[in-house]
Amino acid sequence: ETGVTQTPRHLVMGMTNKKSLKCEQHLGHNAMYWYKQSAKKPLELMFVYNFKEQTENNSVPSRFSPECPNSSHLFLHLHTLQPEDSALYLCASSLPSRGEFNYGYTFGSGTRLTVV
Amino acid sequence: GIQVEQSPPDLILQEGANSTLRCNFSDSVNNLQWFHQNPWGQLINLFYIPSGTKQNGRLSATTVATERYSLLYISSSQTTDSGVYFCPLWETSGSRLTFGEGTQLTVNP
Repeated sequence: ETGVTQTPRHLVMGMTNKKSLKCEQHLGHNAMYWYKQSAKKPLELMFVYNFKEQTENNSVPSRFSPECPNSSHLFLHLHTLQPEDSALYLCASSLPSRGEFNYGYTFGSGTRLTVV
Repeated sequence: GIQVEQSPPDLILQEGANSTLRCNFSDSVNNLQWFHQNPWGQLINLFYIPSGTKQNGRLSATTVATERYSLLYISSSQTTDSGVYFCPLWETSGSRLTFGEGTQLTVNP
């Protein structure tokens, strides 16, 4: 375990379903992230939260809705997804970058999502 | 945006062999991590190495920021080293990590 816990590990959902992915960290980090990893593609940043506030949305479709109730928890709510949204969704956390100082990322194990 | 180029894209080794993985960057290197993604998708942090050289057991990494590249050395490789290796760069303008396509390493027994 890295200190960043994601649940569920695997999820199969239909295109009309609503589901949520959960991420939890107790590393004292204040920044949390969602990344998407599709087959044969580099990891893509989806959302960034710093101190519970969303600071980046990388042009993600509205069928993905993030929620960050506190600095330790991050959710990704899913609704009316498409088969091409099937991917590995990775959560990460870090201390916020401050200028040139950076303390590195810690990733969770990911949720492997299949949309049928 | 920043481009991260990793080489080789694929590498197959026999157990016990040594290897060097390389990352080239299109922009200044301020913050850099090396990760190993195992076959189950877990991304494990290997090194945080914006510059200089670090060693951890059979692994070592060197970043030459002024020349915009980083190297990961794996010595006496083991089958558990198999997976994909990434060297994402942290963009100075924010919190974004930019990933390359990775190096797929397969170590055969």
